[in-house]
Amino acid sequence: GIQVEQSPPDLILQEGANSTLRCNFSDSVNNLQWFHQNPWGQLINLFYIPSGTKQNGRLSATTVATERYSLLYISSSQTTDSGVYFCAVTYSGSARQLTFGSGTQLTVLP
Amino acid sequence: DGGITQSPKYLFRKEGQNVTLSCEQNLNHDAMYWYRQDPGQGLRLIYYSQIVNDFQKGDIAEGYSVSREKKESFPLTVTSAQKNPTAFYLCASSPGPASPEAFFGQGTRLTVV
Repeated sequence: GIQVEQSPPDLILQEGANSTLRCNFSDSVNNLQWFHQNPWGQLINLFYIPSGTKQNGRLSATTVATERYSLLYISSSQTTDSGVYFCAVTYSGSARQLTFGSGTQLTVLP
Repeated sequence: DGGITQSPKYLFRKEGQNVTLSCEQNLNHDAMYWYRQDPGQGLRLIYYSQIVNDFQKGDIAEGYSVSREKKESFPLTVTSAQKNPTAFYLCASSPGPASPEAFFGQGTRLTVV
């Protein structure tokens, strides 16, 4: 199956700082999503981005499918951004179920 | 209010007992999924269903069973054969092949006591 690797595994920032999270995948994908898992465990959809660039407020994401990676940018971070960020993909051999990376644990300090 | 509802949020089970986790969606999505998350790890697929009355095993199906009798419902049974059932369980759904974006419920935290 496909391998999904996220980096860094842990990230600690001061409030107001910017950050970039990376997701590498080992095969061609037909779907890529970024999620934020809040302290209560719920997965919040951030982006559905199999290719290209999208922005939503302080967050933006870019997927370069031909080079098999995606980046999530967080600008002017806030304490409420803390949590785990997951990248998940589907690929041609997986029907529609998502394969997840192991996540990036982000801590934003006040 | 549209969405995916999982119940209960917390569940305690004695060893040797079966337990069923509920997942209901009113989004009219075709596909539904069950994932398991262990502390500090990503999500792993247990079972998925792309259509009513049909489902397939995921990566870690042993010790679990599901049914899909209605489009909006996809319950998961954790059987006594599951050796390490304590985990966080998440249900998801997606509309269909033309729109594969998945959405998740709030999860059920199962603890075996």
